Amino acid sequence: EPEVTQTPSHQVTQMGQEVILRCVPISNHLYFYWYRQILGQKVEFLVSFYNNEISEKSEIFDDQFSVERPDGSNFTLKIRSTKLEDSAMYFCASSQSTNSPLHFGNGTRLTVT
Amino acid sequence: QKEVEQNSGPLSVPEGAIASLNCTYSDRGSQSFFWYRQYSGKSPELIMFIYSNGDKEDGRFTAQLNKASQYVSLLIRDSQPSDSATYLCAVNLYGNNRLAFGKGNQVVVIP
Repeated sequence: EPEVTQTPSHQVTQMGQEVILRCVPISNHLYFYWYRQILGQKVEFLVSFYNNEISEKSEIFDDQFSVERPDGSNFTLKIRSTKLEDSAMYFCASSQSTNSPLHFGNGTRLTVT
Repeated sequence: QKEVEQNSGPLSVPEGAIASLNCTYSDRGSQSFFWYRQYSGKSPELIMFIYSNGDKEDGRFTAQLNKASQYVSLLIRDSQPSDSATYLCAVNLYGNNRLAFGKGNQVVVIP
């Protein structure tokens, strides 16, 4: 069964550094998403992306965050200057349409020290 | 603030029994509803989705949706130790897959 793949599985970075989290969505999916889950808390929506544009973003997704689809397969989340509170699991997801189920990748655990 | 609530504490069920999980949501306009299973430290795994009022069955899982009462439930029949996980209710609030998740219900199946 096709799946969403994310790399790296774990990223440790120092506060103030830039990180790029990578995702390869399912190949016939058109909609891409980033969610995050701080340890012990709910899964939270960050951003959705379609047709090379951001469709919607949450209040969490401020100017420190950006997304990009640099080629036909990858979808990336960049955090420009990481803060301690950015430590979380970051999940990429994709779907065929805006009303079909999301399929999540295995996640990247980001630790900011 | 549009919310998804899963208020039950950890649920312990004996192997072979039925586990019942409930979820309420605040926005009457919500369009689609999902149950995800999440093992500790892992990503959410889709178990069921339901769009219309009534029941939907898939193997040992049944999702039930009641839009008038704004709740969605999940039944796990013949519970197995491998079903021990946290179950997340998620609601597609605007039809754009901006999912709102509940905090989750931990299920422990006792052999």
